[in-house]
Amino acid sequence: QQPVQSPQAVILREGEDAVINCSSSKALYSVHWYRQKHGEAPVFLMILLKGGEQKGHEKISASFNEKKQQSSLYLTASQLSYSGTYFCGSLQGGSEKLVFGKGTKLTVNP
Amino acid sequence: DAGVTQSPTHLIKTRGQQVTLRCSPISGHKSVSWYQQVLGQGPQFIFQYYEKEERGRGNFPDRFSARQFPNYSSELNVNALLLGDSALYLCASSLVGTANTGELFFGEGSRLTVL
Repeated sequence: QQPVQSPQAVILREGEDAVINCSSSKALYSVHWYRQKHGEAPVFLMILLKGGEQKGHEKISASFNEKKQQSSLYLTASQLSYSGTYFCGSLQGGSEKLVFGKGTKLTVNP
Repeated sequence: DAGVTQSPTHLIKTRGQQVTLRCSPISGHKSVSWYQQVLGQGPQFIFQYYEKEERGRGNFPDRFSARQFPNYSSELNVNALLLGDSALYLCASSLVGTANTGELFFGEGSRLTVL
């Protein structure tokens, strides 16, 4: 089951904030966030695990609500470098199959 | 250190032909995953291998097959190509399996065009 992301696209000015949401109709064991710039490979942002553990190395925060089967990515004081398409992924039943959503295209303008 | 390398970067095939895509993971990474990305969509999971064993398979027909070699490099084979197989094929490696903790490192991909 593919996670559903919203919004599909968002346009910001530098310094503004944005929230990208990811939800699933199936139980989420973990949520994985990646960013892909145009013409480039996806780059890891963060993994959120059940129990609240987070693993990431970007100055981006996220939340994971296990009961609601939702995750949100918070981009504060956005920079031009934040532009790209953000994908959330969920593992299927604890397997190795990582299923990505359709993505949210973020554009940050000067 | 070298990242994930894929070859070829671009290729054009005709319907019915066969294609082999290659991937070399980051040194020390034992897990390799393959994804198909159609323009405007998220990557779709095809296969995952860990320590040379298949650990996951996505909803792709049997025309798609893969294997992992003793040096952890991997090949993805697609037989009897269809127009719908045109896509960017991404390879990703990770230190451990994807489940819960595995950060994926993606290569730049192989762009396949089927005419």
